[in-house]
Amino acid sequence: DADVTQTPRNRITKTGKRIMLECSQTKGHDRMYWYRQDPGLGLRLIYYSFDVKDINKGEISDGYSVSRQAQAKFSLSLESAIPNQTALYFCATSDSGTGSEQYFGPGTRLTVT
Amino acid sequence: GEDVEQSLFLSVREGDSSVINCTYTDSSSTYLYWYKQEPGAGLQLLTYIFSNMDMKQDQRLTVLLNKKDKHLSLRIADTQTGDSAIYFCAESTGGYNKLIFGAGTRLAVHP
Repeated sequence: DADVTQTPRNRITKTGKRIMLECSQTKGHDRMYWYRQDPGLGLRLIYYSFDVKDINKGEISDGYSVSRQAQAKFSLSLESAIPNQTALYFCATSDSGTGSEQYFGPGTRLTVT
Repeated sequence: GEDVEQSLFLSVREGDSSVINCTYTDSSSTYLYWYKQEPGAGLQLLTYIFSNMDMKQDQRLTVLLNKKDKHLSLRIADTQTGDSAIYFCAESTGGYNKLIFGAGTRLAVHP
């Protein structure tokens, strides 16, 4: 079984809808991250969490919110989706050591029409 | 602010060496990474180098770091078709493990 899973893998939604992307991990890591990937822009950090009680904004948090329901679960919400949020979204986890490898989920392809 | 730049595309012949280049701006970067993304998949860490090193070799992969020029390169020896993917350079600073990614270099390997 995959260590980092994301659901759904693909989603098409309409402008203005609320949508939640979920991430679960079995690696026992404290740290979890949400990124979005756009062609030609690489990955950009949306939010990160160092433990269940610690949530931090990344470089592009506007229009997004997150919830760390448990050590193993970190969800990303779009309160009112807009077309420029169409992207590939990745969840990642790492342990707490400096420079620790981040392990990525398979991604969720989100299309907002 | 922090910035990481890479060329977007590289085409090589099977069996040749590939060299993917990256420049970064944050002189306080502590770790520099190379990630590989295959079609339809997430990113997988290929290798990394700590900022006090100049070179790291791991089988077919060689990473060179020029701290003065803030330049990082990844050399893949004997490139195979299975190496076709997007390669991302990333840097992290301090203990927070936040990664700043480049835009990715798409490597195409042809016969």
